[in-house]
Amino acid sequence: DGGITQSPKYLFRKEGQNVTLSCEQNLNHDAMYWYRQDPGQGLRLIYYSQIVNDFQKGDIAEGYSVSREKKESFPLTVTSAQKNPTAFYLCASRSTVGWNTEAFFGQGTRLTVV
Amino acid sequence: GNSVTQMEGPVTLSEEAFLTINCTYTATGYPSLFWYVQYPGEGLQLLLKATKADDKGSNKGFEATYRKETTSFHLEKGSVQVSDSAVYFCALSRNNNDMRFGAGTRLTVKP
Repeated sequence: DGGITQSPKYLFRKEGQNVTLSCEQNLNHDAMYWYRQDPGQGLRLIYYSQIVNDFQKGDIAEGYSVSREKKESFPLTVTSAQKNPTAFYLCASRSTVGWNTEAFFGQGTRLTVV
Repeated sequence: GNSVTQMEGPVTLSEEAFLTINCTYTATGYPSLFWYVQYPGEGLQLLLKATKADDKGSNKGFEATYRKETTSFHLEKGSVQVSDSAVYFCALSRNNNDMRFGAGTRLTVKP
């Protein structure tokens, strides 16, 4: 089945550690996105990528990094520089064929700093 | 810049009540508009969309009409069910670069 997979579902990190969230899609989509969701604040864009080996910062990129070495994969690293990393992280992808296509979302990763 | 404002929740309704969740947007040009739904602990799923003025998106009894004159895309359902309890997000996309979401509205439907 085609879809977008995030792993792990739950992740715990100690303060001062970097952690990488996985996002894989087999929908053959060019564009991929990372959002952060906090209660009452909706979704905020962290990074997005329109094509392999290229990505742009979103509204809240500080303390995060990404890579796009393969079309299918768009991992997000939460670095120790991110002051408040506890949140629900959502990865999405969409086709760039056509105009304003819908986004498909993964199930999310809940990151907790302990 | 492009942005979406939707009514704050939470919204609590009895089963079979009428639902309206307001959404207004700010954008240049002609964005596409979307409603997504999120069930507890899950990602977002597309509920419906509209790509141009006066288009009506519909799905599972939900409807929304793209009103350019009022820059609105309000979500409606004539008779809600307990299974409709979720968080609903209004979103716009000005091009394929990004998608902007509202803050979300939590709906609880009681039997």
